Amino acid sequence: QQQVKQSPQSLIVQKGGISIINCAYENTAFDYFPWYQQFPGKGPALLIAIRPDVSEKKEGRFTISFNKSAKQFSLHIMDSQPGDSATYFCAASVAINNDMRFGAGTRLTVKP
Amino acid sequence: EAGVAQSPRYKIIEKRQSVAFWCNPISGHATLYWYQQILGQGPKLLIQFQNNGVVDDSQLPKDRFSAERLKGVDSTLKIQPAKLEDSAVYLCASSSTGRDQPQHFGDGTRLSIL
Repeated sequence: QQQVKQSPQSLIVQKGGISIINCAYENTAFDYFPWYQQFPGKGPALLIAIRPDVSEKKEGRFTISFNKSAKQFSLHIMDSQPGDSATYFCAASVAINNDMRFGAGTRLTVKP
Repeated sequence: EAGVAQSPRYKIIEKRQSVAFWCNPISGHATLYWYQQILGQGPKLLIQFQNNGVVDDSQLPKDRFSAERLKGVDSTLKIQPAKLEDSAVYLCASSSTGRDQPQHFGDGTRLSIL
């Protein structure tokens, strides 16, 4: 059972553009929503995370938007750079036990 | 701070053989996780340890997979016997105990079943 649905599967953006990746979840008990970045041959690395008591969180060029009523959240990458080319995973967990459920991933390619 | 260490990086075995993976978490991290990442998919949690006790193993195929974390530090994950569908990257992660603690991942072991 897929508890976190992620789209699109792949995304191509020009350098300097905005990359947007969307996720939706089903379990209303989830209360911690991280995004991970994964390069080929490497493990996922935490990029940014949000809790449902805020609607937006920004760290540098990365912003999470969160819509609790719609059970959706998204990652926006501003001024996308070729170095951002990687696979991005959204995830959700019940924070108290950190039992994480991942989306299927989005392969982002930023063209120079 | 040293990261999560995993070995081996790659393993090729034939179906029905057994295989074991090793993980050394970040020093002081009480919680350790094993994930299975099939090509083109997100990581799937197999088992979660808190110190040397199992917190969640609901997605671990217990007829063939086993894991242990002796002394609450290093951990091993074993598959016996392996099936073709076990071909994947096996990721280990660790975190501190408590709310919203980030999980730190190792680079994984890529397992190929022939």
